[in-house]
Amino acid sequence: NAGVTQTPKFQVLKTGQSMTLQCAQDMNHEYMSWYRQDPGMGLRLIHYSVGAGITDQGEVPNGYNVSRSTTEDFPLRLLSAAPSQTSVYFCASRKTVSDTQYFGPGTRLTVL
Amino acid sequence: EDQVTQSPEALRLQEGESSSLNCSYTVSGLRGLFWYRQDPGKGPEFLFTLYSAGEEKEKERLKATLTKKESFLHITAPKPEDSATYLCAVQDSRGDFGNEKLTFGTGTRLTIIP
Repeated sequence: NAGVTQTPKFQVLKTGQSMTLQCAQDMNHEYMSWYRQDPGMGLRLIHYSVGAGITDQGEVPNGYNVSRSTTEDFPLRLLSAAPSQTSVYFCASRKTVSDTQYFGPGTRLTVL
Repeated sequence: EDQVTQSPEALRLQEGESSSLNCSYTVSGLRGLFWYRQDPGKGPEFLFTLYSAGEEKEKERLKATLTKKESFLHITAPKPEDSATYLCAVQDSRGDFGNEKLTFGTGTRLTIIP
């Protein structure tokens, strides 16, 4: 198993550009989430999904969209990048709400 | 609102010098408390889940314990490869976001000096 994979590993955007961060898992996990990690703050939940076709907002969803067309993939879209979105983004997955959450290697995003 | 506070922010130990990291938490109802290890430039790596007060779990030189208000990560005779940031997180059984959200602390950066 590759576990949770994320691409790209690094990305630099200009303000106003859009892009998609990719996340995939091969563990047949129903639950997938996106978090962002900023210095001096704990990881914060952006969006999550409890299964294919079902997504919902987390605590910091503004400026981001998600979709879940398959169990394996959960892409995160930045609609119009802003400097405040400079962060490290982690995708995570787990089998059920009570199971351990496994994280991907992260995408470091810089918005100029 | 759920809260997690980790202390100290940073800890430097000599190789072989045992110590403990603290995670204090506030939740409406604890579904689980998680410990993760994070190396620079990497994603959090799962270590332990604790579910109820009094529970303990061990893995190599690490031992995690849980009370109703805090958790400790004890490190016995650490080695340089134990250097990392250790994150604590709680899952609230009565929380928002379908209980999916983990509330994380800001971590303890542990450095083991050879």
